[in-house]
Amino acid sequence: EPEVTQTPSHQVTQMGQEVILRCVPISNHLYFYWYRQILGQKVEFLVSFYNNEISEKSEIFDDQFSVERPDGSNFTLKIRSTKLEDSAMYFCASSGSRASTDTQYFGPGTRLTVL
Amino acid sequence: AQSVTQLGSHVSVSEGALVLLRCNYSSSVPPYLFWYVQYPNQGLQLLLKYTTGATLVKGINGFEAEFKKSETSFHLTKPSAHMSDAAEYFCAVSATTSGTYKYIFGTGTRLKVLA
Repeated sequence: EPEVTQTPSHQVTQMGQEVILRCVPISNHLYFYWYRQILGQKVEFLVSFYNNEISEKSEIFDDQFSVERPDGSNFTLKIRSTKLEDSAMYFCASSGSRASTDTQYFGPGTRLTVL
Repeated sequence: AQSVTQLGSHVSVSEGALVLLRCNYSSSVPPYLFWYVQYPNQGLQLLLKYTTGATLVKGINGFEAEFKKSETSFHLTKPSAHMSDAAEYFCAVSATTSGTYKYIFGTGTRLKVLA
């Protein structure tokens, strides 16, 4: 069964450093998402992406964050200058359409620890 | 704006007992509702979803949920708990402000199954 993959599974970085989290969505999907889950809290939407453009972003997704689809398979989330409060599990998701009923398929997540 | 509330951050049941995880939603439009499960150190896996039609939805691993509009609820049940059901369960509603649908998650319920 096709699945979303994410690398690395765990990233440790120093405050102020840049990190890039990578995702490979399901191959025929067109809509891509990033969510994050701070330890002990709910999963929160960060951004959605379609046709090489951001479709929607949350208030969390400030200028420190960016997303890119550098090639036909990868989808990346970059945090330019990490803060302690960026420590969280980051989930990538993809869907075949943007319909409200369409299932979003989630990857296993990248745990980001900012020291 | 859409939202979901999960009552009970932790639920413990004995093996073989009924599992009931509660989810209430708030939505100004017909809601599309989802239950996801997160096993330790894994990503989010879709258990079931309600879009339209039959209000009793069957999912994987013997779980089901019933959409009750009058009660604005979408509770998840399983007749007989198994040790392997121990995980965190998230209720979500799909929402849009820009035409692309994102998920709004509840805070999650951690299910513990006692031998």
